[in-house]
Parts: sequence; structure tokens; C-alpha cells
Amino acid sequence: NAGVTQTPKFQVLKTGQSMTLQCAQDMNHNSMYWYRQDPGMGLRLIYYSASEGTTDKGEVPNGYNVSRLNKREFSLRLESAAPSQTSVYFCASIETKGASDTQYFGPGTRLTVL
Amino acid sequence: DAKTTQPPSMDCAEGRAANLPCNHSTISGNEYVYWYRQIHSQGPQYIIHGLKNNETNEMASLIITEDRKSSTLILPHATLRDTAVYYCIVDNYGQNFVFGPGTRLSVLP
Repeated sequence: NAGVTQTPKFQVLKTGQSMTLQCAQDMNHNSMYWYRQDPGMGLRLIYYSASEGTTDKGEVPNGYNVSRLNKREFSLRLESAAPSQTSVYFCASIETKGASDTQYFGPGTRLTVL
Repeated sequence: DAKTTQPPSMDCAEGRAANLPCNHSTISGNEYVYWYRQIHSQGPQYIIHGLKNNETNEMASLIITEDRKSSTLILPHATLRDTAVYYCIVDNYGQNFVFGPGTRLSVLP
């Protein structure tokens, strides 16, 4: 039981390059989220997926696209990377019990855009 | 914006109890109080959550005031490994899960 895994752990891109961040969970959760965390700041929600086949925008969706490939996997794509997207990206899988949600986070992807 | 207010930093002596406060004066009746922590650059880690009653698990205790406008996370015997940023979040059904700046807890030897 690996929980939430993310790949890659580190990535350096040049401005304008594209890449996809991968996230997978083995806890059979319906909901998955993508966050970014800038230095010294809290997490900000980029996109979320409440169930397989559905995605919705969060607080900071501009410059990103997502795909909920199946129940296990939720990917985040940067089509044309910009220096402002330099950040640490965290994926979370959400366990829902009644009205309460518990989020389980992956180890993060540290992205630098030059 | 986060619906909670926490002190930016706190110190605690190793082996003593760490009491981390959180104000959430605008909490609504069906919102839960969640606590997470983030150690260095790792992904946030769930600690505990509650609605009205006080809660305890193997990591911590959560004390929620009767009017639910504030809460306290208690780490009963803090260790150096508890040094982290602690986030208090109020939310219902994942509608408003906002991580604010949190409290940076330093456990001192």
C-alpha cells in the first residue's frame, strides 16, 4: 500500500516547454486534488476531481490542464511553462466519510522553470 | 481566504505539551475543524479532525470550545520530530479547504 505517489520528484524546464506531472493513489478514493505551494506560503488548489471522468477548477487553474485517466490516476499538465509556475506541486487523495474529508498527500514534485 | 487565524510561530520545550490555538469565529454549523502538519518540504500530513466534541488519537488531542469559535491542538509530549508548520482548516464536504500560512512550531531541546 503505497498511498499517494507522484512522479517526477524534481524537474527543471525552460520557459515554453511542456510537461505532465503524474499522480496515482491505491486507496480507492473517488476524489483527488492538485495543489501548488510557493516558498513560505500555504497550499493553493489548482484543480480537483470529485470522481473518475470529472474535473473542476480550483483557486489557481490558469496555465494548467488536468486529466482523470481512471480512478487511480490524476495528471497535471503544463502546456507552456512560465517562471511563475516554479513551485512545489502536491497531489492529494481524499477519503470521504459522511460530511468529513481527510486528505492524504503525495511527496510532491519540485518544479523549476527557467 | 482562509477562515482561520493562527499565530505565525510558537516554541515548545521537548517533552512538554504543545498547545496550538486556532480561531475560527465564522465557522458554520456543519463545518469540521481539521488539523494538518507539514514537516520541512514534505507533503502535508493529516493529524486529526472534529465537529463538536473533543477528539483524541494516537498523534494528538483536539479541544473545540462549546461555541465552536476556536480550538486547540495538543501534542501531549512534543519531540524534535514534531517541529513543523501546523495548519488549522475549517471545511464541509471539501467546499472550502484552504491552507493558510499556519503556525510554525519549533520544538527545542
